Amino acid sequence: GQQLNQSPQSMFIQEGEDVSMNCTSSSIFNTWLWYKQDPGEGPVLLIALYKAGELTSNGRLTAQFGITRKDSFLNISASIPSDVGIYFCAGQLRVNRDDKIIFGKGTRLHILP
Amino acid sequence: GAVVSQHPSRVICKSGTSVKIECRSLDFQATTMFWYRQFPKQSLMLMATSNEGSKATYEQGVEKDKFLINHASLTLSTLTVTSAHPEDSSFYICSAPGLAGNTQYFGPGTRLTVL
Repeated sequence: GQQLNQSPQSMFIQEGEDVSMNCTSSSIFNTWLWYKQDPGEGPVLLIALYKAGELTSNGRLTAQFGITRKDSFLNISASIPSDVGIYFCAGQLRVNRDDKIIFGKGTRLHILP
Repeated sequence: GAVVSQHPSRVICKSGTSVKIECRSLDFQATTMFWYRQFPKQSLMLMATSNEGSKATYEQGVEKDKFLINHASLTLSTLTVTSAHPEDSSFYICSAPGLAGNTQYFGPGTRLTVL
C-alpha cells in the first residue's frame, strides 16, 4: 500500500537553529499537508501544498511540493521553544474515487536548553 | 481555518461499557469525516471514513461492530466504542475536509482510558 517515509524521526537542536525535515514516497500525491501536534492535542495544519513545485511560507515555516509529486520538505528557520512538538507530513491521493490521506510517522523536534 | 470540535476531551470508563465520542464541524458542513486512532509516540492511523447519510467505510482490520460510526447530520459524526476493553485505550481524533476538499482539519482529540 501507499507509504510515506518521513525523516528524521527526531531532532535535537539549539534554539535559533534552522530545521529541515522531509517526506518521500513511491506514490504520487495530489496534495501535501504539514501538521504540528502538541502533546494531548489534535494536529494543527501548518501549510498546505496543492501543485508540484509549489513553495509556500507561513511565517518562519517554508514547505515545498516536490516536482515529482512524490516528496515534500518543511523548513523552520530560527527555531524558538514553542516549535517543540511532533511534525507530520500527510499526502492526499485518490484511491478508487475516494480521497485518501496518508500520514508520515512524524518528526519529533526537541530544543536543547 | 475551519474549526472541528470533539467531545469529550477525556473519558475514563470501566471495561465492558460503551463510550460515545462526538465530532462536530463548527463553521462548515462536512459530508465526510474521518476517525483516527493514535497510540503514544506513534502516527495517526485511519480507522474509518464517516459518510453523511450512508454507511461508514472501515479500514482493513477495524471491526465495524466494535467501532460504530454514525454521521447523523452535515456537522456531526459520532464514534461509539462498544464493550470497551483496556486495549481500546487510545487517543481518538476526527477530521473533516475543508470546503475545497483538499485539506483536513482535525479536532482536538479524545483521550479514552478503559480501566
